[in-house]
Amino acid sequence: QKEVEQDPGPLSVPEGAIVSLNCTYSNSAFQYFMWYRQYSRKGPELLMYTYSSGNKEDGRFTAQVDKSSKYISLFIRDSQPSDSATYLCAMSANYGGSQGNLIFGKGTKLSVKP
Amino acid sequence: DAGVTQSPTHLIKTRGQQVTLRCSPKSGHDTVSWYQQALGQGPQFIFQYYEEEERQRGNFPDRFSGHQFPNYSSELNVNALLLGDSALYLCASSLAAGGPYEQYFGPGTRLTVT
Repeated sequence: QKEVEQDPGPLSVPEGAIVSLNCTYSNSAFQYFMWYRQYSRKGPELLMYTYSSGNKEDGRFTAQVDKSSKYISLFIRDSQPSDSATYLCAMSANYGGSQGNLIFGKGTKLSVKP
Repeated sequence: DAGVTQSPTHLIKTRGQQVTLRCSPKSGHDTVSWYQQALGQGPQFIFQYYEEEERQRGNFPDRFSGHQFPNYSSELNVNALLLGDSALYLCASSLAAGGPYEQYFGPGTRLTVT
């Protein structure tokens, strides 16, 4: 079993739809949960992060973490064609000096059709 | 602020050759991490450099080595290239005292091994 599992999709939705992206994980030591967006042939850019369990909202984006189920989600409201990208979840157990080792999911390729 | 820069953008090498990739961190950052992202996969952690030393290493063979210079820039070297080394190589910079969500990724170097 991989440490982080993410459905690679692809996922195609009409403009304006609510998108739900999910990851599951097996390592209970993970404390930091990140969502990155990666456009084709570009590096990942951080969308949101959450520490431990709970919800976090930023504009059209909401991140949820359920540590009891080892399950995280990213919701995108009123999706736009510009949201078309690959979305990667990433996790880490550490802060400070040993924070380098992010564990990523495979990424979900999202396409929002006008 | 130029952000994280990487060079070259892409290159093609032959199996058995050696390659050097370069990374300049975001201004003010002192830590550089390298990731390998194969096609259709999430990034995998190779190693991290801080104070010119390798601080953490992922599950990669010794053919992968690196260096950090006094100006915090970094190099990734791969010897005896294999076809399976074809991937996007990402550099991420951060502050050693920062959180795992504070890694900024460069655009990557796409390596093709033929």
